[in-house]
Amino acid sequence: NAGVMQNPRHLVRRRGQEARLRCSPMKGHSHVYWYRQLPEEGLKFMVYLQKENIIDESGMPKERFSAEFPKEGPSILRIQQVVRGDSAAYFCASSLTGAGNEQFFGPGTRLTVL
Amino acid sequence: DAKTTQPTSMDCAEGRAANLPCNHSTISGNEYVYWYRQIHSQGPQYIIHGLKNNETNEMASLIITEDRKSSTLILPHATLRDTAVYYCILRLRKDTDKLIFGTGTRLQVFP
Repeated sequence: NAGVMQNPRHLVRRRGQEARLRCSPMKGHSHVYWYRQLPEEGLKFMVYLQKENIIDESGMPKERFSAEFPKEGPSILRIQQVVRGDSAAYFCASSLTGAGNEQFFGPGTRLTVL
Repeated sequence: DAKTTQPTSMDCAEGRAANLPCNHSTISGNEYVYWYRQIHSQGPQYIIHGLKNNETNEMASLIITEDRKSSTLILPHATLRDTAVYYCILRLRKDTDKLIFGTGTRLQVFP
């Protein structure tokens, strides 16, 4: 059973470009969480999605960031008009259900904004 | 904000037990204690969790004090591969829960 998959693993963008990060949850998991880790800091929650629904986006910046988890396909974290401060590792986690079930993390996407 | 307090760093000799403390003096009655670790540059990995009883699995043991205001994660025979940042996290087991990571304890296992 493959674990959580994220791609790309490394992404380089210039300021003002768009970044699209993909997350494929574990088989059978319908809950996806996105976290961001700035250099030398802990992980910060961004958004929690179930299939086609955003459940909690309290950690998402108000502008430029969006997330989706369509009925078919991976979850996408989209960052428009990237700035240098967006440089970070973005981790996706999935769980079988919500309600405190264990979250399994992917290897992360490291975004570098030049 | 994280509701737990952990030492910034600890060292442990390979083969010895690593005891990682966590203070959570404001824990509420329905909050669980979870432990995750993050090996350098990788995604966090679940280790163990508990409510009020001590717990043990193939990775570690979790000792929670009777008043639940603190806990200790025990790695019984630390190896070099256990070098990581260890996070103690409180969670309510409800639908919208998320993991709130603090700064964790950086455990260095040395030969």
